[in-house]
Amino acid sequence: QVQLVESGGGVVQPGRSLRLSCAASGFTFSSYAMHWVRQAPGKGLEWVAAISHDGSDKFHGDSVKGRFTISRDNSKNTLYLQMNSLRAEDTAVYYCARAGNSVRDWLDTWGQGTLVPVSS
Amino acid sequence: SYELTQPPSVSVALGQTASISCGGNNIGTKSVNWYQQKPGQAPALVIYRDYNRPSGIPERFSGSNSGNTATLTISGAQAGDEADYYCQLWDSSGFFGGGTKLTVL
Repeated sequence: QVQLVESGGGVVQPGRSLRLSCAASGFTFSSYAMHWVRQAPGKGLEWVAAISHDGSDKFHGDSVKGRFTISRDNSKNTLYLQMNSLRAEDTAVYYCARAGNSVRDWLDTWGQGTLVPVSS
Repeated sequence: SYELTQPPSVSVALGQTASISCGGNNIGTKSVNWYQQKPGQAPALVIYRDYNRPSGIPERFSGSNSGNTATLTISGAQAGDEADYYCQLWDSSGFFGGGTKLTVL
């Protein structure tokens, strides 16, 4: 079945870097755009980044622009989020989600999320 | 940037109809999606492209979008519908509403 599994979360100090991964299975990964969405503890959903099916187009939210980078490796069926210069306000559960052929499409499949606490 | 405004909470009696609004400037010209999130779970899509239901979503979930407001309607609300609901759209980047906690009394 269609499945997304995030990994790479964990406690990280402010100013440090972390890379999240999202392993996809059960569908043709290279045909779908992908997104990262985060949720701070007790708060709502915040869109983080999106990437086209072939990786040629990338979009990042204002709060992470210049610090976070979305990427993908279609040969490994894996989505990534490189997070640099982390701040306390980046503390959240990070979800990867599948869109359709376009980044504009709805998010029809979500992973279970990985927690990133940013703390000294 | 595009702002989406949702009421923080909505209550509905068991078996009655709940409406959750999502306000935005000329939102009727955009395609709106809705997600349900239960405690401790990842979000799940319940409505896409304004009014379409994914397979497996009950018919009691419906959506509309016109003018400056998109609306998620749950007819015959059940206890299992109690959750947080988020509207979302794409406008050069992704945007989520602040979320609405639905309580079924």
